[in-house]
Amino acid sequence: QVQLQESGPGLVKPSETLSLTCTVSGGSISGFYWGWIRQPPGKGLDWIGNFYQSGSAGNSPSFQSRVTMSVDTSKNQFSLRLGSLTAADTAVYFCARWTNCGGDCYYLEYWGQGTLVTVSS
Amino acid sequence: QAVLTQPSSLSASRGASASLTCTLRSGINVGAYMISWYQQRPGSPPQFLLRYMSDSDKQRGSGVPRRFSGSKDASANAGILLISGLQSEDEADYYCMTWHSSAWVFGGGTKLTVL
Repeated sequence: QVQLQESGPGLVKPSETLSLTCTVSGGSISGFYWGWIRQPPGKGLDWIGNFYQSGSAGNSPSFQSRVTMSVDTSKNQFSLRLGSLTAADTAVYFCARWTNCGGDCYYLEYWGQGTLVTVSS
Repeated sequence: QAVLTQPSSLSASRGASASLTCTLRSGINVGAYMISWYQQRPGSPPQFLLRYMSDSDKQRGSGVPRRFSGSKDASANAGILLISGLQSEDEADYYCMTWHSSAWVFGGGTKLTVL
């Protein structure tokens, strides 16, 4: 069973950069479509970005210039960096794996438990 | 206008059925989109329930009961999540999702209350 676990700081200061890591167990990162989603307190889900282990990636226009994603296949981990933080970036951040259902069909099959990140001075 | 619109809340009685809608923005034809549905209980991450493109292209998640089903209403331009035989444990937030204009898009979510 594939499991994902986010790790990173729970509190970051405004204007700083958030760094989160997702550790994957029970399966390989290779050959799959991974990404990040966040959920502000009491609100809905927002897609941040995705990448294939092979390197192709896409980010939400809402985060385009602030987001960097990377992968470390030797550790079976991938990471998110989100810069220029403001209070509006306070949210639970989920890492997730999309599963291919044929052709261009994908759905979110595996989710991490989520980690709350608070942006405050 | 949002790409996917969901009613913010819905109430239904235990044992009854609940139909949750996910309406696509005018000009976006639901027939061309695969809609996936997720259930989120308080304090937990979302869980995949099902995806629906057509009656011949649909899939329930592993372990998801058959009383959860998907469909589309072309006249309303909406994806539908139908939950039959409502149980207390079905009380949760439900989100729809699709791929549109090179972006993954979520609906705002529906909070389902089981009376």
